[in-house]
Amino acid sequence: AQTVTQSQPEMSVQEAETVTLSCTYDTSENNYYLFWYKQPPSRQMILVIRQEAYKQQNATENRFSVNFQKAAKSFSLKISDSQLGDTAMYFCAFMKTSGTYKYIFGTGTRLKVLA
Amino acid sequence: DSGVTQTPKHLITATGQRVTLRCSPRSGDLSVYWYQQSLDQGLQFLIQYYNGEERAKGNILERFSAQQFPDLHSELNLSSLELGDSALYFCASGDLANEQFFGPGTRLTVL
Repeated sequence: AQTVTQSQPEMSVQEAETVTLSCTYDTSENNYYLFWYKQPPSRQMILVIRQEAYKQQNATENRFSVNFQKAAKSFSLKISDSQLGDTAMYFCAFMKTSGTYKYIFGTGTRLKVLA
Repeated sequence: DSGVTQTPKHLITATGQRVTLRCSPRSGDLSVYWYQQSLDQGLQFLIQYYNGEERAKGNILERFSAQQFPDLHSELNLSSLELGDSALYFCASGDLANEQFFGPGTRLTVL
């Protein structure tokens, strides 16, 4: 069975600084996707970034980038130039590409950006 | 805007009552997923429908049921409500090879 672990329940970062959120997962699948979702105080779930397991190149979306280490089963999110609007809960998610229910979410990391 | 709509936005009811939550997926998406998120908790997967058929079941209580209609909208029915059922209920849609797109959620308060 797949599992997703986010070992940092809470983190804080100064505005304009860089922060890295950790995520590890366990799977025997070879083909899968990984995602980071953001849930701000509005509680809306917003997709931040996605990574296909077959791609070696790390995904990047503006200030957000990932460090995907397939062999280590690690998928961390780096937020550069942190902004107050980045304050949110961040969930790491795993999606397998075969079988029935596909999505496994981590328990989340609460990030607070300090002015 | 994800393209997924959920109604109502808020729902307040009493213990023992029954409510129905509604979800309309993004245009073209055949899959609908339901999640429960209690206060400061992660997402608990409840159930998935694909093109009208139940595809996968998670930690869904027997008091809860869902269905997906021919027009692909879905309803989640919660009955014999208890205080502990108070939560944010998300619907998400997607196709089988893509990420999920979440609706804004329905906040259920059981008094």
